[in-house]
Amino acid sequence: KQEVTQIPAALSVPEGENLVLNCSFTDSAIYNLQWFRQDPGKGLTSLLLIQSSQREQTSGRLNASLDKSSGRSTLYIAASQPGDSATYLCGIRGGGADGLTFGKGTHLIIQP
Amino acid sequence: DADVTQTPRNRITKTGKRIMLECSQTKGHDRMYWYRQDPGLGLRLIYYSFDVKDINKGEISDGYSVSRQAQAKFSLSLESAIPNQTALYFCATSERRGYGYTFGSGTRLTVV
Repeated sequence: KQEVTQIPAALSVPEGENLVLNCSFTDSAIYNLQWFRQDPGKGLTSLLLIQSSQREQTSGRLNASLDKSSGRSTLYIAASQPGDSATYLCGIRGGGADGLTFGKGTHLIIQP
Repeated sequence: DADVTQTPRNRITKTGKRIMLECSQTKGHDRMYWYRQDPGLGLRLIYYSFDVKDINKGEISDGYSVSRQAQAKFSLSLESAIPNQTALYFCATSERRGYGYTFGSGTRLTVV
């Protein structure tokens, strides 16, 4: 059974810093990995989708990497802003039953 | 209009009542999913459907049932609600296994 771990569980940094969120998984037989952000009490907004054959994806200030062999993905946020404050979730689509397996998320606070 | 619409947004119901949560989508995707989110437990898959004739149980299907009325509509029912079904419920869609997910805004359900 796929298990997904996100570290750290919470992070608070001053505005302007570059930061890295981590996602690790136990089963490397994946189709793809998707990073989401969730604002309090809201739905999930897709940030980046990385296919299993890809090593990284970029969108604006966000860059996500994937290393299947080590079971890791990172989400890099450049020049953080207060509006980046949210919970970031990593979801993995594996080879078994369809559906995403999620980590518990990283709660990010960017201090103005 | 949102690509994935969930109704109601909020619902309070009593123990033992039957309740239905509805989801509709304009993405034209074949695959639809129901998840629940609990603090500290993350998102877990309840049911998923590949088309109107193909319904599959997810990780935590006990106490729930679903109906796929059309390609665009997927409903989740709690036949006899209990307090530990209090959670945030999300509907999601996906085109195929290699593609990403789109989530609705969620339904906050409270069972008293």
